[in-house]
Amino acid sequence: QLQLQESGPGLVKPSETLSLTCTVSGGSISSRSYYWGWIRQPPGKGLEWIGNIYYTGRTSYNPSLKSRVTISVDTSKDQFSLKLSSVTAADTAVYYCARLGDYWKASDSWGQGTLVTVSS
Amino acid sequence: DIQMTQSPSSLSAFVGDRVTITCRASQSINTYLSWYQQRPGNAPKLLIYAANSLQDGVPSRFSGRGSGTDFTLTISGLQPEDFATYYCQQTYSSLFTFGPGTKVDLK
Repeated sequence: QLQLQESGPGLVKPSETLSLTCTVSGGSISSRSYYWGWIRQPPGKGLEWIGNIYYTGRTSYNPSLKSRVTISVDTSKDQFSLKLSSVTAADTAVYYCARLGDYWKASDSWGQGTLVTVSS
Repeated sequence: DIQMTQSPSSLSAFVGDRVTITCRASQSINTYLSWYQQRPGNAPKLLIYAANSLQDGVPSRFSGRGSGTDFTLTISGLQPEDFATYYCQQTYSSLFTFGPGTKVDLK
């Protein structure tokens, strides 16, 4: 059974960099059949796509966040990571990692999510 | 960017009701449309992909239709566990946008 688990600090100061890691278990991140993505949800609001990565390292980012986002993959650890720089209070959200099918790109498996609060 | 809208934004229904939610894209997305269910405090769960394909393990009372710009999600015989928020998402363009959500609650 595939599982995804987000990890990282729950509190980040304004102007600093948010860093999260998603660990994949029960499956390989190097599978050619899947992409891996990050999605966030501000408290009480809807879902926002951040970006996704293929095991080869090929990435696609939300243009509204592109200047601040880096997604990377570590196939040796079955992990992929998110870095979001110069954070503000508007970046406070639950951050989810997810697996995407390679053709339709539907997110068929999700982590439980982790709340990251940006505050001094 | 492709904008997604949903209607209604919320609805109230009884257990056993048939419920239909509409999702509209600002331009054609073929059938690159998924539906998700999110219960409070939980991660979203994939229900439908490719506009009308039921994800493994999802009850058959959920169904999706549409192509191009107009799509629907129908729940035939609402169950207590179906009271949740539903989101559509397009994956046609490189920016995967979500609809704003439709909250289904108990009448």
